[in-house]
Amino acid sequence: SQQGEEDPQALSIQEGENATMNCSYKTSINNLQWYRQNSGRGLVHLILIRSNEREKHSGRLRVTLDTSKKSSSLLITASRAADTASYFCATDGLYGNEKLTFGTGTRLTIIP
Amino acid sequence: DVKVTQSSRYLVKRTGEKVFLECVQDMDHENMFWYRQDPGLGLRLIYFSYDVKMKEKGDIPEGYSVSREKKERFSLILESASTNQTSMYLCASSFPGRYDNEQFFGPGTRLTVL
Repeated sequence: SQQGEEDPQALSIQEGENATMNCSYKTSINNLQWYRQNSGRGLVHLILIRSNEREKHSGRLRVTLDTSKKSSSLLITASRAADTASYFCATDGLYGNEKLTFGTGTRLTIIP
Repeated sequence: DVKVTQSSRYLVKRTGEKVFLECVQDMDHENMFWYRQDPGLGLRLIYFSYDVKMKEKGDIPEGYSVSREKKERFSLILESASTNQTSMYLCASSFPGRYDNEQFFGPGTRLTVL
């Protein structure tokens, strides 16, 4: 089942601008993770936010979580060409289920 | 660093063939996963294994089976490949209760069934 839905499906911005991607999910969660996938490759973990956290930072990444709205956003500041990739959110379920449910992804293109 | 490897990056098979996709991880992870990824559908879980010889069906197990005889190796088997199994297949592993269930992915196998 598709728990997460990312929005927008595709996003193109100029290098140096900020990129914001959103994720909505349907059931209660223990934590939410964001992954990046470069074209034709495997996914790489970026950042995790727990259900009792509202915001988290890691380098140029900022993640927010609103459990009342069942939504999260990923902000990439000062984008670079190397940020061009697909970004996926993943949720684990209320009891820290070891299985993750991935969204459909946002395709981000950074224009040099 | 965790390393997850998959036996092939690209694979072309014919309808009806039996296909084996192999995945190996080198970090002693208990959990291993097989996903398929299709445009617009994201990642869908095919099978999950939480220990040697233990497996659990995911969301789309039909037409697939798995084997886990050793902890580090998890195989996905297409008993009789069909064209609708043309897809990108991703293997992942994780350590239960550690790193908040972060999953580590292999590079993927792009399978084409003709």
